[in-house]
Amino acid sequence: DIQMTQTPSSMPASLGERVTISCRASQGISNYLNWYQQKPDGTIKPLIYYTSNLQSGVPSRFSGSGSGTDYSLTISSLEPEDFAMYYCQQYDSSPWTFGGGTKLELK
Amino acid sequence: EVQLVESGGGLVQPGRSLKLSCAASGFTFSNYYMAWVRQAPKKGLEWVATISTSGSRTYYPDSVKGRFTISRDNAKSSLYLQMNSLKSEDTATYYCARLITTTAYYFDYWGQGVMVTVSS
Repeated sequence: DIQMTQTPSSMPASLGERVTISCRASQGISNYLNWYQQKPDGTIKPLIYYTSNLQSGVPSRFSGSGSGTDYSLTISSLEPEDFAMYYCQQYDSSPWTFGGGTKLELK
Repeated sequence: EVQLVESGGGLVQPGRSLKLSCAASGFTFSNYYMAWVRQAPKKGLEWVATISTSGSRTYYPDSVKGRFTISRDNAKSSLYLQMNSLKSEDTATYYCARLITTTAYYFDYWGQGVMVTVSS
């Protein structure tokens, strides 16, 4: 199975700050990488698919990049609603696997 | 508006069975692959099962293969997960999710989840 390692596991940040969350795969995943956001009430929604494609309705302050084994999610200027959990997920090979998550917290 | 509403969760003893349901609305259910994803308490997400549009193809990770069965009823716009031989490590919130398979493979809509607790 492909292991997905997210760093950091938690990140204190301030409103307006630019933040980057990293995701490393245990082997190359050919850009087959998605990002999801989970709110405290459990609501989950997709943010980025296939490394860098913004899901419809997601604000443009979210962006994704990467290649090979290393990928990242960047939020250019934090808004109050962005404080949540973030997960990366690979679909290069079965079983599809998720990273352990990054909790974005208000500093 | 796309809606996915799970039901059927609860407390079950180890070794017993439970069947989850997911009622879909707001889209043409038969046109989409569907999936189940779970989240153990205070843990991350784990993909559990995927089913093709017709139901003819199903996919599972080794952790549930042979114990769980995903199925669908397109006439009822419903997705199911039959869980047998349940173990304590199956305790989790189970999410029903719609899977996009065109531009890429990703879950674009998720339900609110249903809790399953496996304990004696």
